[in-house]
Amino acid sequence: GAGVSQSPRYKVAKRGQDVALRCDPISGHVSLFWYQQALGQGPEFLTYFQNEAQLDKSGLPSDRFFAERPEGSVSTLKIQRTQQEDSAVYLCASSSTGTNQPQHFGDGTRLSIL
Amino acid sequence: QKEVEQNSGPLSVPEGAIASLNCTYSDRGSQSFFWYRQYSGKSPELIMFIYSNGDKEDGRFTAQLNKASQYVSLLIRDSQPSDSATYLCAVNGPDYGQNFVFGPGTRLSVLP
Repeated sequence: GAGVSQSPRYKVAKRGQDVALRCDPISGHVSLFWYQQALGQGPEFLTYFQNEAQLDKSGLPSDRFFAERPEGSVSTLKIQRTQQEDSAVYLCASSSTGTNQPQHFGDGTRLSIL
Repeated sequence: QKEVEQNSGPLSVPEGAIASLNCTYSDRGSQSFFWYRQYSGKSPELIMFIYSNGDKEDGRFTAQLNKASQYVSLLIRDSQPSDSATYLCAVNGPDYGQNFVFGPGTRLSVLP
């Protein structure tokens, strides 16, 4: 597709359940990023992939959060044993190779933990 | 701790006026600066990016960068009600890895 695609758009889960969020980046984009955005705040960095390699996961808030990009294209962010504080919008962004390139965002997944 | 600060607003301007949005950052090593527009419930949309000191113009938008003073601004000329949104400033540099550090955003309201 032409842009970054994320699914599902909305996800409601009960506390303690596991969830998986999917991101399909712009075709040919080497770099892929996950961000978490709380209401009224700017996006906060979670993790970064260059192709299939996860080069930075310093923003993941706990070991319940796990991300992968096994074939260097589609990425999945998994949250295990969800907690209410995990409720947020999860944004995926991609950029072409090279440093300092603009990032292009998907529409996000709004996650609500009950 | 790398920080990016913005006035949360709301900033209200009348239709047709110039809206001025400001952003300051703490890391002197920052090299790349981006402005995103985010409508309520939507994803951030890239408006402009700037790497060098000075002004960069694109249509009604002008980005201004002053690395010595560690601020970057966005001017919107001839503001329209459709410009009403939250504007996010994002900063990147060699010490950030590849990720951006975002400010909290400034909410702009253009009044008809």
